[in-house]
Amino acid sequence: EVQLVESGGGLVQPGRSLTLSCTASGFTFGDYAMSWVRQAPGKGLEWVGFIRRKGYGATADYAASVKGRFTISRDDSKNIAYLQMNSLKTEDTAVYYCTRLQAWQNPYYFDYWGQGTLVTVSS
Amino acid sequence: DIVMTQSPDSLAVSLGERATINCKSSQSVLYSSNDKNYLAWYQQKPGQPPKLLIYWASTRESGVPDRFSGSGSGTDFTLTITSLQAEDVAVYYCQQYYGTPLTFGGGTKVEIK
Repeated sequence: EVQLVESGGGLVQPGRSLTLSCTASGFTFGDYAMSWVRQAPGKGLEWVGFIRRKGYGATADYAASVKGRFTISRDDSKNIAYLQMNSLKTEDTAVYYCTRLQAWQNPYYFDYWGQGTLVTVSS
Repeated sequence: DIVMTQSPDSLAVSLGERATINCKSSQSVLYSSNDKNYLAWYQQKPGQPPKLLIYWASTRESGVPDRFSGSGSGTDFTLTITSLQAEDVAVYYCQQYYGTPLTFGGGTKVEIK
């Protein structure tokens, strides 16, 4: 059974940093791209970014709203994907979902989602 | 960026009746070289993460009941729920993957009348 478990969320002040982790199980982690999607309270879904599998260079792409502030990385030996968030803004407040992404060089659709972790950016 | 517009924002349907949700993209998401529409549908029940229902506009994900179907091509797409069940109460989102950034529609809330 595919499982994605996010951790690391919480309350953080504007301008500070936070790193989320996504621990995967039930599939060969290194064979898949991984992505983060967020959902502000009471709002819709917003793609944050994704990281390709090693075979495609493990490179990452980001939404414009987070580019330069957020970094996605992966450790295939530990089956973990990370989302490092710097210079956080109040508008980054959201539930952050880790997702498995169907992708080749380019991202496609999200076939599995974690339960999400809440990040609240507030002073 | 490709903008995805869903309609209606919400709808109330009687149990056993049909629900129809529309999704329109600001540009075609049909890739001519493989004749595939780069569009997916998700269901999000209250307090839960989204769940993949449909991809390639009309391919049902494994385990999804056959009362859910996707149709359309180019810029206009439809998710149909035939014979609505109580467990189908949720918000439904479309998503394009023709290009980055990946973008979602604003969601359609389905309730029981």
